[in-house]
Amino acid sequence: DAGVIQSPRHEVTEMGQEVTLRCKPISGHDYLFWYRQTMMRGLELLIYFNNNVPIDDSGMPEDRFSAKMPNASFSTLKIQPSEPRDSAVYFCASSSSRGSSGANVLTFGAGSRLTVL
Amino acid sequence: AQSVTQPDIHITVSEGASLELRCNYSYGATPYLFWYVQSPGQGLQLLLKYFSGDTLVQGIKGFEAEFKRSQSSFNLRKPSVHWSDAAEYFCAVGAGPAGKSTFGDGTTLTVKP
Repeated sequence: DAGVIQSPRHEVTEMGQEVTLRCKPISGHDYLFWYRQTMMRGLELLIYFNNNVPIDDSGMPEDRFSAKMPNASFSTLKIQPSEPRDSAVYFCASSSSRGSSGANVLTFGAGSRLTVL
Repeated sequence: AQSVTQPDIHITVSEGASLELRCNYSYGATPYLFWYVQSPGQGLQLLLKYFSGDTLVQGIKGFEAEFKRSQSSFNLRKPSVHWSDAAEYFCAVGAGPAGKSTFGDGTTLTVKP
């Protein structure tokens, strides 16, 4: 497996523009997580899905953020409109609830670094 | 709610010296505990995990960690640090659904030649 794949790796945009980040989880994993990493706030859980269904979006900062998972192999995180304070590295991670050795273990993608000017 | 504290923001050790990174957690039951490592520009990679059983767990790259319930700690150790170990290290506690983990703020390790 190629691991968790995120795109784009880097995104520079202007304030007010729409940003879409993409994630392909590991095949067979039934949980998908979106984290945001900043110097000030560290790693924050934004939202997570189980079997493509959003379970907890309490970490989503505000209505400008939305996430979808239309199928088991694809998820998007969208910011509309973007603001400079959204600048961060956004990580997607997946995990499997099956098997005691893998449960709760996150496999992270390489991240998408977003800069909003 | 669970929480994780990593008291040391930055640690510098000489190559070949031993290393201990501290982690304290807060959680009402027996937690799942993890250490992840992040190299610059990369995502986090699992070093080791504790679910139950033997409180001393071995991980990749020669790392180990010891779970001490009485101290609510899960410190990471390595007997001899290599220059390639320079990175940021995150302790995490998991509870509930698979992977819903809370992370500490991280400890940056610098290795001196």
